[in-house]
Amino acid sequence: GQQVMQIPQYQHVQEGEDFTTYCNSSTTLSNIQWYKQRPGGHPVFLIQLVKSGEVKKQKRLTFQFGEAKKNSSLHITATQTTDVGTYFCAGPRNTNAGKSTFGDGTTLTVKP
Amino acid sequence: NAGVTQTPKFQVLKTGQSMTLQCAQDMNHEYMSWYRQDPGMGLRLIHYSVGAGITDQGEVPNGYNVSRSTTEDFPLRLLSAAPSQTSVYFCASSSANEQFFGPGTRLTVL
Repeated sequence: GQQVMQIPQYQHVQEGEDFTTYCNSSTTLSNIQWYKQRPGGHPVFLIQLVKSGEVKKQKRLTFQFGEAKKNSSLHITATQTTDVGTYFCAGPRNTNAGKSTFGDGTTLTVKP
Repeated sequence: NAGVTQTPKFQVLKTGQSMTLQCAQDMNHEYMSWYRQDPGMGLRLIHYSVGAGITDQGEVPNGYNVSRSTTEDFPLRLLSAAPSQTSVYFCASSSANEQFFGPGTRLTVL
């Protein structure tokens, strides 16, 4: 079945450093979503990418969808302590929006 | 709008007990899902529903039952709790795109 792999599993950075997490799928995805989960919290939707090669920005966060629609990345510029948490990518299992395959996530810690 | 609500927040069960985790949404979403999250891992899909009266299995359905009698509610039943079911359970609802997650139920099975 479809698998979504994320690397790295953990990332520790000094405040102000950049951070990137990568997501790779074994199959072509119709879209990819990114979620953030704060410690002790629940996943919160960040963004959805749909088009091949798409790049979207949200303040210090940059999201990319690969040309082949099998990989994606999330880059955070100049991390802040508020960025701590686990970042998940998710691809649809099929066209059903309610059925997604989540990566195992990248947990980011930021040292002030 | 309350969004997605889950009860209880915490629960401790003994092996063999049964219980129902409640989930409700007030966004009129057709799609609802149940996930479990174990330490250091992602979200694994247990069961999902594409509308009232329709449910299907996800990746890890064994030991769990669901029903969807209304659009709003999607309860998850543990038939006979086992220690392997100790986890955090999240319910989610969605329309076409993003999924909205509830606050979770932290379940411990002794």
